[in-house]
Amino acid sequence: GEDVEQSLFLSVREGDSSVINCTYTDSSSTYLYWYKQEPGAGLQLLTYIFSNMDMKQDQRLTVLLNKKDKHLSLRIADTQTGDSAIYFCAERVSGGYQKVTFGTGTKLQVIP
Amino acid sequence: DAGVIQSPRHEVTEMGQEVTLRCKPISGHDYLFWYRQTMMRGLELLIYFNNNVPIDDSGMPEDRFSAKMPNASFSTLKIQPSEPRDSAVYFCASSPEGRREGYTFGSGTRLTVV
Repeated sequence: GEDVEQSLFLSVREGDSSVINCTYTDSSSTYLYWYKQEPGAGLQLLTYIFSNMDMKQDQRLTVLLNKKDKHLSLRIADTQTGDSAIYFCAERVSGGYQKVTFGTGTKLQVIP
Repeated sequence: DAGVIQSPRHEVTEMGQEVTLRCKPISGHDYLFWYRQTMMRGLELLIYFNNNVPIDDSGMPEDRFSAKMPNASFSTLKIQPSEPRDSAVYFCASSPEGRREGYTFGSGTRLTVV
């Protein structure tokens, strides 16, 4: 079955790098996503990676995928106070409809 | 595009009352999803539609919950009768057919049942 796990909380200092980790269980995942949720708002898609890729970089964001260990990470370089939010990892498995399973979310706190 | 539009943004109702949440997906998106978010259970998928047809409603907690999508531009989630444990933020999301596309979420409806 599908199960996506994340740590609940991460605190970093402004200017440092943040690394948010995620593990998933379904080896037939096709796409893996990172979403950001700011207070009082819905989830916003940040980036995604196809399962045959190891890495994807988009400005300050770097996504690393270790398919063998079913481990996904999101690195935010030069973390800013505006990056404070909840970050959700999500996976989409093959064979199904557009059903995506979301993790529990990691609350990132950036300390000025 | 105005994105996924949900109404109302906030709803406070008394236990036992009927509550209707509304969603307008992005035009051209074939999939529509209803999620519920709480501190205790996180983000839960309640039901989703493809081309206005309900595909999977296994996440709907009880018979008190029902969802409809009468056309491609409108969906409702109804709770009747409402209970305090239904208090949560309810999100609607939509997605196009393509596999790599993620979901676009609405801003949510914060429901408080007193």
